[in-house]
Amino acid sequence: GAGVSQSPSNKVTEKGKDVELRCDPISGHTALYWYRQSLGQGLEFLIYFQGNSAPDKSGLPSDRFSAERTGGSVSTLTIQRTQQEDSAVYLCASSLNPTGGRTEAFFGQGTRLTVV
Amino acid sequence: DAKTTQPPSMDCAEGRAANLPCNHSTISGNEYVYWYRQIHSQGPQYIIHGLKNNETNEMASLIITEDRKSSTLILPHATLRDTAVYYCIVRVVSGNTPLVFGKGTRLSVIA
Repeated sequence: GAGVSQSPSNKVTEKGKDVELRCDPISGHTALYWYRQSLGQGLEFLIYFQGNSAPDKSGLPSDRFSAERTGGSVSTLTIQRTQQEDSAVYLCASSLNPTGGRTEAFFGQGTRLTVV
Repeated sequence: DAKTTQPPSMDCAEGRAANLPCNHSTISGNEYVYWYRQIHSQGPQYIIHGLKNNETNEMASLIITEDRKSSTLILPHATLRDTAVYYCIVRVVSGNTPLVFGKGTRLSVIA
């Protein structure tokens, strides 16, 4: 596709349920990022995939959060046993090989997650 | 951890230049300065980046001080559509670290 695609665009789930959020990066982009943004807050880094390197998981807030990137393309962010504080917009971004400063990241429109 | 300091908010009259400052006094020689913005309810958008020379593109100009400890993003003729949160980010050229956003500057362009 022409841009980063995220699905679903909106998700309402009950507390305690598991959710999966999907990100389709721009074709050929080797770097993929996940962020979350709570209402009125800044972007909180979650996890970063770069090529075949081990992902940088330093931003994941708890072990209920995990992410995979299959075949170097599509990524899924999974939140287990959701809590109300997980309610936020989850944003995905991708970029070309970021070496040499070319780290222009393109963002999707996000998935708005509401835990009730 | 964000390595930059920005004012929390600024106002600018429509049609005037908006000058957004950023301090990055601990920047390393192998780190670039990036600027992104986030318009309400949208994902962030790349604006410009630079290492040590001033840069200009169709959106903005980036002025980096000689000691690289601060920079200024310039929107030459601000419009109402430029109202957004502007983020200044430093990142190593290798790209082995993620893009980490700070709190940014909320720019309000006023008619």
